[in-house]
Amino acid sequence: GEDVEQSLFLSVREGDSSVINCTYTDSSSTYLYWYKQEPGAGLQLLTYIFSNMDMKQDQRLTVLLNKKDKHLSLRIADTQTGDSAIYFCASDSPSGGSYIPTFGRGTSLIVHP
Amino acid sequence: NAGVTQTPKFQVLKTGQSMTLQCAQDMNHEYMSWYRQDPGMGLRLIHYSVGAGITDQGEVPNGYNVSRSTTEDFPLRLLSAAPSQTSVYFCASSYNGQDNEDTEAFFGQGTRLTVV
Repeated sequence: GEDVEQSLFLSVREGDSSVINCTYTDSSSTYLYWYKQEPGAGLQLLTYIFSNMDMKQDQRLTVLLNKKDKHLSLRIADTQTGDSAIYFCASDSPSGGSYIPTFGRGTSLIVHP
Repeated sequence: NAGVTQTPKFQVLKTGQSMTLQCAQDMNHEYMSWYRQDPGMGLRLIHYSVGAGITDQGEVPNGYNVSRSTTEDFPLRLLSAAPSQTSVYFCASSYNGQDNEDTEAFFGQGTRLTVV
């Protein structure tokens, strides 16, 4: 089945850019997602990219997709303390005929002054 | 629009007790799933359903049962609780991904379960 990998921690200074990386294994993934989880809450969709795109920009967020290397990244410009959260990469590879998303382990983003 | 509703939010069980975690969605989503979240392990899929009457096992199904008698509800049953089942449980629902629709998952707020 699909395997999604991401690093566990990232620490940045307020105002700098953050880049969270993710790799996946199933090249037939249609959509790739970034979810954000704030403390004590469920996951909420942050942004997503369709597999025929290589970049998507949404205000401070930039998603880059390299299909050849099966690599996805999320860049947050001008990172703020409110961006501190766990960020999950997810892929909807249709393995087994269903599109239940597979999640990475989550990257804890720590923003310090 | 309520989205995905999970109950209870918190629960403490004794080893060997059974209980049911409730999940309901009002978005007419075909897909529903249960995950557990443990430190350093991310989200692991327990069971999922692609429609009423259809369920299947995920990555960590042992000790859990599910049923999907209606589109809206997807309860998760712990048959005989063990300390290893102490975790945060999330229910999610999504569209079926056909016709290139995106399959954004909508999550409940989670149930924090402690088994002593």
